[in-house]
Amino acid sequence: AQSVTQPDIHITVSEGASLELRCNYSYGATPYLFWYVQSPGQGLQLLLKYFSGDTLVQGIKGFEAEFKRSQSSFNLRKPSVHWSDAAEYFCAVVPVNQAGTALIFGKGTTLSVSS
Amino acid sequence: NAGVTQTPKFRILKIGQSMTLQCTQDMNHNYMYWYRQDPGMGLKLIYYSVGAGITDKGEVPNGYNVSRSTTEDFPLRLELAAPSQTSVYFCASSYGPTAMGGYTFGSGTRLTVV
Repeated sequence: AQSVTQPDIHITVSEGASLELRCNYSYGATPYLFWYVQSPGQGLQLLLKYFSGDTLVQGIKGFEAEFKRSQSSFNLRKPSVHWSDAAEYFCAVVPVNQAGTALIFGKGTTLSVSS
Repeated sequence: NAGVTQTPKFRILKIGQSMTLQCTQDMNHNYMYWYRQDPGMGLKLIYYSVGAGITDKGEVPNGYNVSRSTTEDFPLRLELAAPSQTSVYFCASSYGPTAMGGYTFGSGTRLTVV
């Protein structure tokens, strides 16, 4: 079945440490890929997106993501986490070549930052 | 530079009541969407619209209705509210179907049905 999976429900990282949030997808053709962040009580903000080309994508707030076709993954990374990065992170896809589609979200990963 | 505006921000409904969640965007986006967010479940698509006068069902449309009479507005109607509709509702818009520019989200409406 087509799906987007975020294996980690909750991750805690020390401030200043590196971060990697995992995202895997299961679609026949590589979908368009996105990462969104949601701060508590807020809407969603786009961090970065991948459609084609360079497999390492730079986003806002110092985040980057790497697309790996062989692993059907689009993991989000940050070299040094700040306390303000504590939020919920959603991987999302838009399937290609499918009429009537919209963003399909993973279930999210909650990031906590410890001091 | 308002983006997507949702009203109200909070609402408590009694079972069986009805209400309309308002959504307005000022970016001239053709595509608009309604999602609901439940804890641990991510966001699920309720309805979407590809332009004025055109709407279609998403993954979880039961208990909801929408209309799109103008490009700017995409209200979501709840008829006969049920506790299962307790959720946070997000409206979003995009320029095109593949969201190459990303979606712009409103700040959400937190609805409780008691």
